[in-house]
Amino acid sequence: GESVGLHLPTLSVQEGDNSIINCAYSNSASDYFIWYKQESGKGPQFIIDIRSNMDKRQGQRVTVLLNKTVKHLSLQIAATQPGDSAVYFCAESRGTSYGKLTFGQGTILTVHP
Amino acid sequence: EAGVTQFPSHSVIEKGQTVTLRCDPISGHDNLYWYRRVMGKEIKFLLHFVKESKQDESGMPNNRFLAERTGGTYSTLKVQPAELEDSGVYFCASSISVNTEAFFGQGTRLTVV
Repeated sequence: GESVGLHLPTLSVQEGDNSIINCAYSNSASDYFIWYKQESGKGPQFIIDIRSNMDKRQGQRVTVLLNKTVKHLSLQIAATQPGDSAVYFCAESRGTSYGKLTFGQGTILTVHP
Repeated sequence: EAGVTQFPSHSVIEKGQTVTLRCDPISGHDNLYWYRRVMGKEIKFLLHFVKESKQDESGMPNNRFLAERTGGTYSTLKVQPAELEDSGVYFCASSISVNTEAFFGQGTRLTVV
């Protein structure tokens, strides 16, 4: 079935390193993608989004790359900090509403001081 | 500005009882979404309100779940009667329009025993 999934369930990095979290999606009709960060006891927090007519979008310390040819999405975090430790979810939407999302399983990012 | 708020943060009920979860969206957000995450699985879409109208309820699992949004402000999600498999975290999100990002609340952890 159609799904959004993550390649790695966990990622450990040293403080100051760059982090890359990957995500694959299967529905070529998806036209909106979004990354959320979830800390313990909190809800998903918006990080960055990208529409299918773009292949790259940058925010503060974060960059999202979209490769529609291979249906791949990635989140890059520059100079990772301990406060970045959380579960990261990618999600996709198929156009009816950007709030109706299909989520991946999530990647646990652990940043070591 | 207050974010999306959910009440209660945690609820423990016995199988067969009724529970009502509440979500207050960000002020001015016409779009309200309910999601849930059960047993470590992916976050799953339940339904979408536009103001007081149900736009999409394709994710509602069965008729034991009833969502309302009278007046187009806050929303409630009632589970009656609750079953063990309903345990999980229920999230609410809101967005200004269908083409903008959704912001999530902290979730309600429901435990059915």
